[in-house]
Amino acid sequence: QKEVEQDPGPLSVPEGAIVSLNCTYSNSAFQYFMWYRQYSRKGPELLMYTYSSGNKEDGRFTAQVDKSSKYISLFIRDSQPSDSATYLCAMSYGGSQGNLIFGKGTKLSVKP
Amino acid sequence: GAVVSQHPSWVICKSGTSVKIECRSLDFQATTMFWYRQFPKQSLMLMATSNEGSKATYEQGVEKDKFLINHASLTLSTLTVTSAHPEDSSFYICSEGIVREQFFGPGTRLTVL
Repeated sequence: QKEVEQDPGPLSVPEGAIVSLNCTYSNSAFQYFMWYRQYSRKGPELLMYTYSSGNKEDGRFTAQVDKSSKYISLFIRDSQPSDSATYLCAMSYGGSQGNLIFGKGTKLSVKP
Repeated sequence: GAVVSQHPSWVICKSGTSVKIECRSLDFQATTMFWYRQFPKQSLMLMATSNEGSKATYEQGVEKDKFLINHASLTLSTLTVTSAHPEDSSFYICSEGIVREQFFGPGTRLTVL
């Protein structure tokens, strides 16, 4: 079993829809949970990070972490065509300079 | 956030040659930089951690003699793919920062013929 599982999609939604992206993981030692957005042939861009369990909201984006279920989610409200990208979840065991374990990424397409 | 650049953005080389990829931190002095590799439709995989002034730390399964990392200054880390083969064709990305806020470069696409 891989450490981080993420459905690669592709996921296609109409503009304005609520998008739900998620990852599951196997190692309960993960402490930091991040969501990155990656446009084609570009480096990942950090969207949000959460430490331990709970919710975090930033504009149209909400990140949720459920450590008991080893499940994290990213919700995008009022999705826009500019949100079309690949979304990567990433996790870390902790420490200030620990490396990140990434999911495969989910490719999202928001149709106008 | 921090700005990280990579050069070149795209390189094609013949099998058996060596290729050097540069990663620069433009507005931050990074004692540690990370090198990742991403194959098509696969996740980013950490290859090595580059430490300024000391040897890099390689992940299991990554050949340190094939992927040479030099971090000679606080703003520059280089990855040299030696004796490249077609299976080394991939997207190489560097990053710097702390775990909850890593900033990635734009990546270098390597194609080995």
